[in-house]
Amino acid sequence: QVQLVQSGGELKKPGASVKVACETSGYIFNNYGISWVRHAPGQGLEWMGWISGFNGHTNYAQKFQGRLTLTMETSTTTGYMELKSLTSDDTAVYYCAVGRLAYDYWGQGTLVTVSS
Amino acid sequence: EIVMTQSPRSLPVTPGEPASISCRSNQSLLHRNGYHYLDWYLQKPGKSPQLLIYLGSNRASGVPDRISGSGSGTDFTLKISRVEAEDVGVYYCMQGLQTVRTFGQGTKMEIK
Repeated sequence: QVQLVQSGGELKKPGASVKVACETSGYIFNNYGISWVRHAPGQGLEWMGWISGFNGHTNYAQKFQGRLTLTMETSTTTGYMELKSLTSDDTAVYYCAVGRLAYDYWGQGTLVTVSS
Repeated sequence: EIVMTQSPRSLPVTPGEPASISCRSNQSLLHRNGYHYLDWYLQKPGKSPQLLIYLGSNRASGVPDRISGSGSGTDFTLKISRVEAEDVGVYYCMQGLQTVRTFGQGTKMEIK
């Protein structure tokens, strides 16, 4: 079955960067792209970006342009989300998600806390 | 960017009673292939979101038939015919028409 396993929680200082991993299994990696969604405390879900599992093409939400980088490693079927210049507003649970027509499968979430 | 607006933002419900959530977009979600690219997700407390409905009206695997999605163009509805205690959480609609996806603000369903 499809599984998405994310890396563990992170504590970062303002101005730092964070890189979250999403290790996938149970499907042909090239078939689906990996999307990233975050959930900040007291806020709703926020779509961040997507990377194609086929060719690595990316799409980012305007809000994260220049600060967000999505990459992938096909040999390990793992996607990565790197967010730079962190502020307290970036404190959130970050999720990876995949699916054919919608997000059928989600990772367990990674809590990123930004605090001095 | 397509803007998604949900109502109500909070929905107190009684078990056994029906419930309904509205989702509106500021442009049509109809693709030229004839499908509406509108999904519904539920995020239960402390859990990852789960897919309920895709392409406007298709139930995801394992979703009970008391949950249904409908709508067209810019106007969509999620209906639960008989609410159960396990349905509590925050419901989100999301448009999948554009490559940059957007979510509604969420509707928090709780038991009265």
